[in-house]
Amino acid sequence: AQKVTQAQTEISVVEKEDVTLDCVYETRDTTYYLFWYKQPPSGELVFLIRRNSFDEQNEISGRYSWNFQKSTSSFNFTITASQVVDSAVYFCALRLAGGTSYGKLTFGQGTILTVHP
Amino acid sequence: DSGVTQTPKHLITATGQRVTLRCSPRSGDLSVYWYQQSLDQGLQFLIQYYNGEERAKGNILERFSAQQFPDLHSELNLSSLELGDSALYFCASSVGSGDLQYFGPGTRLTVL
Repeated sequence: AQKVTQAQTEISVVEKEDVTLDCVYETRDTTYYLFWYKQPPSGELVFLIRRNSFDEQNEISGRYSWNFQKSTSSFNFTITASQVVDSAVYFCALRLAGGTSYGKLTFGQGTILTVHP
Repeated sequence: DSGVTQTPKHLITATGQRVTLRCSPRSGDLSVYWYQQSLDQGLQFLIQYYNGEERAKGNILERFSAQQFPDLHSELNLSSLELGDSALYFCASSVGSGDLQYFGPGTRLTVL
């Protein structure tokens, strides 16, 4: 069975600080996808990024960047120069690329990020 | 706006009752997923339908059931409700099982 662990339950930073959210995953499959979703106070789940297991290239999108390391089974997410609007719960998730339940997303417990002005 | 709609937004009911949550997927999406988000269990996959047929099942209680209709909308039925069923229920949809899932705004169920 697969598992996603987000060890940081809550993080609090001051605006303009950089912050990294950790995600560690477990799976025996060699082909899978990793995701980050954001859940702002309004409650909806907003997709941020998807990465497949064959693509270890890091990605940068504006103030967001992602570091995928297969060797440590980690998929960490960094927000540079954080803003108050970044305050949300962030979820890391895993989906297998095959098998009977391959549509299923397995989520971590989430990290509550609070950015203070 | 993801294009996935869920009704109602909020639902307050009593223990022992039965409720139905409704989800309309994005246009063109054949797959529908249901997830439950609760304080103690986090975000958990319940069940997936693809083009009207059950495709995958997660930690869904026997008191819960779902179906996907010919017009592709889906309903999640929760019966004999307990206090612990209070949660945010999300529906998501995708073109196929392997495609990106887009989430609806959720239905917040409160069981009193």
